[in-house]
Amino acid sequence: QKEVEQNSGPLSVPEGAIASLNCTYSDRGSQSFFWYRQYSGKSPELIMFIYSNGDKEDGRFTAQLNKASQYVSLLIRDSQPSDSATYLCAVKKDTDKLIFGTGTRLQVFP
Amino acid sequence: KAGVTQTPRYLIKTRGQQVTLSCSPISGHRSVSWYQQTPGQGLQFLFEYFSETQRNKGNFPGRFSGRQFSNSRSEMNVSTLELGDSALYLCASSSPGGGYTFGSGTRLTVV
Repeated sequence: QKEVEQNSGPLSVPEGAIASLNCTYSDRGSQSFFWYRQYSGKSPELIMFIYSNGDKEDGRFTAQLNKASQYVSLLIRDSQPSDSATYLCAVKKDTDKLIFGTGTRLQVFP
Repeated sequence: KAGVTQTPRYLIKTRGQQVTLSCSPISGHRSVSWYQQTPGQGLQFLFEYFSETQRNKGNFPGRFSGRQFSNSRSEMNVSTLELGDSALYLCASSSPGGGYTFGSGTRLTVV
């Protein structure tokens, strides 16, 4: 079992729709959770991070964390073609190391 | 506020050679970590430094090493390069309780 799992996609959504990206993790000791966006040929760009159960909103993005279910998700509202990228979920335990999933490719079509 | 700066952006090396990559973190960030990204393995943790001390190391051979200087700048070195070392090498800096900001990366090609 991988430590951080994501569906590789592609996830295709129409412009203006809500894109829902999911991530599960295996270590219950995980403490913080990060979402990155990576365009082809570029480095990962931090979207947001979350520590506590519940929702955290930043503009069009909402991260949702459920530690009991070991599940973290990212919602993108009003999806735009420019949101088309690979979205990486990363998890951090007590040691200062990020463990990444393999990413979900999102395609937003006009 | 300047971001994370990695140099060089691109490198082509021959098998058996060694290479040194550099990373300057965001001003005030004392933690620097390094990752290797390949199409097959994704992003994998190499090592992490805080105040010139290596705090954590990933599962890479001893050919991969690093260090951090008193100004928080960090370098990683790969000796005796192999074809499989071709990858995007990413450096990230962070502050306590904050997110990890990545630099643009160094794309290493070993021929």
